[in-house]
Amino acid sequence: RKEVEQDPGPFNVPEGATVAFNCTYSNSASQSFFWYRQDCRKEPKLLMSVYSSGNEDGRFTAQLNRASQYISLLIRDSKLSDSATYLCVVRRRFGAGNMLTFGGGTRLMVKP
Amino acid sequence: EPEVTQTPSHQVTQMGQEVILRCVPISNHLYFYWYRQILGQKVEFLVSFYNNEISEKSEIFDDQFSVERPDGSNFTLKIRSTKLEDSAMYFCASNQGEGFTEAFFGQGTRLTVV
Repeated sequence: RKEVEQDPGPFNVPEGATVAFNCTYSNSASQSFFWYRQDCRKEPKLLMSVYSSGNEDGRFTAQLNRASQYISLLIRDSKLSDSATYLCVVRRRFGAGNMLTFGGGTRLMVKP
Repeated sequence: EPEVTQTPSHQVTQMGQEVILRCVPISNHLYFYWYRQILGQKVEFLVSFYNNEISEKSEIFDDQFSVERPDGSNFTLKIRSTKLEDSAMYFCASNQGEGFTEAFFGQGTRLTVV
């Protein structure tokens, strides 16, 4: 089983739509969770951290369910500029280091 | 806004040659990483570095690879005897340290081995 799994998509949605992405992780020792956004051939950029109580940043809402090892991202009122690949990222601590493990990404295409 | 910078942005090398990819992490960050992304595939962890030593490495990071922090600002990835399958985007990342977990990525170096 992959350590971090995502539906690769693509999700094709019209502008203004609400879209949700899911992610599951297999390592229960995972400590921190993030959504990153990656545009084509660019570096991953942090979209938001995901907290146990759930958190919201403008049109974006992230949820974490530790018992089910499940993370979600909800995007409301989609914009054309939201078109990108969304990466679910899990951090695990070991010794003095940290390791981020990436899911394969979910591709979103927002159309006019 | 401080950022991670990488050079070069694109490197073409012949199979069997050595390459050095350079990174300047954010200045007050303590943890440094290299990741790679083969075209169309997921971002893969290579190595993490803290306190002037490797703290973790993946199966990908074999004897062909090495990292170094030669001075107070640069963090380099050396690939000896490059192979065709080393062609990928290599991302450097850094984060601040204990209790702070978000990592920031450089814009990447696209390595093409021919």
